[in-house]
Amino acid sequence: EAGVTQSPRYAVLQEGQAVSFWCDPISGHDTLYWYQQPRDQGPQLLVYFRDEAVIDNSQLPSDRFSAVRPKGTNSTLKIQSAKQGDTATYLCASSFLDRGLEQYFGPGTRLTVL
Amino acid sequence: GDSVTQTEGQVALSEEDFLTIHCNYSASGYPTLFWYVQYPGEGPQLLFRASRDKEKGSSRGFEATYDKGTTSFHLRKASVQESDSAVYYCALSDSTEGADRLTFGKGTQLIIQP
Repeated sequence: EAGVTQSPRYAVLQEGQAVSFWCDPISGHDTLYWYQQPRDQGPQLLVYFRDEAVIDNSQLPSDRFSAVRPKGTNSTLKIQSAKQGDTATYLCASSFLDRGLEQYFGPGTRLTVL
Repeated sequence: GDSVTQTEGQVALSEEDFLTIHCNYSASGYPTLFWYVQYPGEGPQLLFRASRDKEKGSSRGFEATYDKGTTSFHLRKASVQESDSAVYYCALSDSTEGADRLTFGKGTQLIIQP
């Protein structure tokens, strides 16, 4: 079974530039999560979906961040105008509701904003 | 809100030493507790979880016991190996905050010297 895949693996931007991250969850997983992991910290939930619906986006900085999962499979997280404080690894995870709470994480995209 | 505290930011041991990483939590409900391990360049992967008071989770020689009285879930291993070097995260999921949400601690970097 293929794991969660993410692209790109790395991104380097100047402040004010936009960037998109793409996630392909494990096939059949109905729930998809995006986490932000600053250096030397634990992952912090930004947003999560069940199928195509947003369940919780309360931690997503809505003025610059957006996330979609239009067909309930792949997902895109976008930062409109990046700031240095956005420097972090962005992790995608997926799970299947009926199989409990285990989340499977992708390798992440390491973002550096100069 | 819910929180997880890991008191050790870094632990350095020699092979065959005994390991303890402390984890204490605060939650409004009755959370499920997790230990995740993260290797460089990878996303976190689940070691094990526990859902009830006095339940012991274990995997790969690591173990932790859910203690509701002391709100703790300390990670232990009797004899560490160099391959155990990684970052370990304690996390919780609390149904009153949304059962799918994981709240992570800041992580403990484990360094094993041969």
